[in-house]
Amino acid sequence: EPEVTQTPSHQVTQMGQEVILRCVPISNHLYFYWYRQILGQKVEFLVSFYNNEISEKSEIFDDQFSVERPDGSNFTLKIRSTKLEDSAMYFCASSETRPPTEAFFGQGTRLTVV
Amino acid sequence: QKEVEQDPGPLSVPEGAIVSLNCTYSNSAFQYFMWYRQYSRKGPELLMYTYSSGNKEDGRFTAQVDKSSKYISLFIRDSQPSDSATYLCAMSATGTSYGKLTFGQGTILTVHP
Repeated sequence: EPEVTQTPSHQVTQMGQEVILRCVPISNHLYFYWYRQILGQKVEFLVSFYNNEISEKSEIFDDQFSVERPDGSNFTLKIRSTKLEDSAMYFCASSETRPPTEAFFGQGTRLTVV
Repeated sequence: QKEVEQDPGPLSVPEGAIVSLNCTYSNSAFQYFMWYRQYSRKGPELLMYTYSSGNKEDGRFTAQVDKSSKYISLFIRDSQPSDSATYLCAMSATGTSYGKLTFGQGTILTVHP
């Protein structure tokens, strides 16, 4: 069964460092998303991406965040200068057709900023 | 008022019980309603997806939406220990919102043998 794949599963980084989280969405999907979940809190929307541009972003998605689809299969989230409060599970999701529709989530990358 | 409210539980039931999970919401623009299951330190897994009001059944799972009350439910019949997980409701609006999902807090469910 097709699935969304995320790498790495766990990343530890020093505060102030840049990190790139990687996702391979389901192959025929056209809409891509990043969400995050701080431990014990709700899953929160960060950004949606369609046709090589950001469709919508939340207030969390400030200038330190960026997304890219560099090669037609990968979808990345970059955090330029990590803060302690960026520690969370980051989930990539994708959907086939124009939203709102079923979004399928990856297993997540656990980011720990020390 | 929070956009989506969900009792975090925890909820503990014996195997075979009927489980009822609920969410309320305040945003009238929500038209699409989903239930996800999340095991510890894993990604949310889509269980049910419904549009507007009404019921939808899939095996042991039934989703209900009452838009007049801004209330959605997920029922699990004949619950199994493998159903033990966190259940998340999620909602999406129409219009310019490109699939942004707003999640509830999640309800932790334990089904004990």
